[in-house]
Amino acid sequence: DAKTTQPTSMDCAEGRAANLPCNHSTISGNEYVYWYRQIHSQGPQYIIHGLKNNETNEMASLIITEDRKSSTLILPHATLRDTAVYYCIVRVPRYSGGYQKVTFGTGTKLQVIP
Amino acid sequence: SQTIHQWPATLVQPVGSPLSLECTVEGTSNPNLYWYRQAAGRGLQLLFYSVGIGQISSEVPQNLSASRPQDRQFILSSKKLLLSDSGFYLCAWSPLRGSYNSPLHFGNGTRLTVT
Repeated sequence: DAKTTQPTSMDCAEGRAANLPCNHSTISGNEYVYWYRQIHSQGPQYIIHGLKNNETNEMASLIITEDRKSSTLILPHATLRDTAVYYCIVRVPRYSGGYQKVTFGTGTKLQVIP
Repeated sequence: SQTIHQWPATLVQPVGSPLSLECTVEGTSNPNLYWYRQAAGRGLQLLFYSVGIGQISSEVPQNLSASRPQDRQFILSSKKLLLSDSGFYLCAWSPLRGSYNSPLHFGNGTRLTVT
């Protein structure tokens, strides 16, 4: 699975959009980009994933560049509850019967400021 | 809907004592199961994964072992804890079949302090 690079920390004002970048320059054609977040003392929570098209769900939007070498997770209106560590992961999906080895780095610590 | 349970939430154990952490999944069958550990200020390290009853694979050599006695039960154990075993232990599951790009789903973890 490709390696990812994320900033160590970021601040965002409450109510503003939080844009979290991730570089994955060695991503291969069949690897998906996944985002998780971990609120302090809790297990990681899945947010969103995508292959090459931009994706949106009730939590966030995922923008993947055309060359797929980087992506941005967007929280449109950050709240204090969005303060967490955000992990960007790229991996090849495993088919039926296969396990999914998912490696997490240290992520980006997002602090939402009142 | 599927849920994952881990217990206990926190645990303080002396060096040399045994350990048993339990994880169960509800609402799904034949899941892939995982144990991760997170040391303070570090990323998540995959310890074990299992694709079925009695099938355990270890990712890193360590003082811990895992077992899967039932389809939706995953246990992390140690015979004698070391100080270095302290950390935040997380259980996770993913579908064995179905959507091939399904994400991992994590429990709320057990914070283990070895004294």
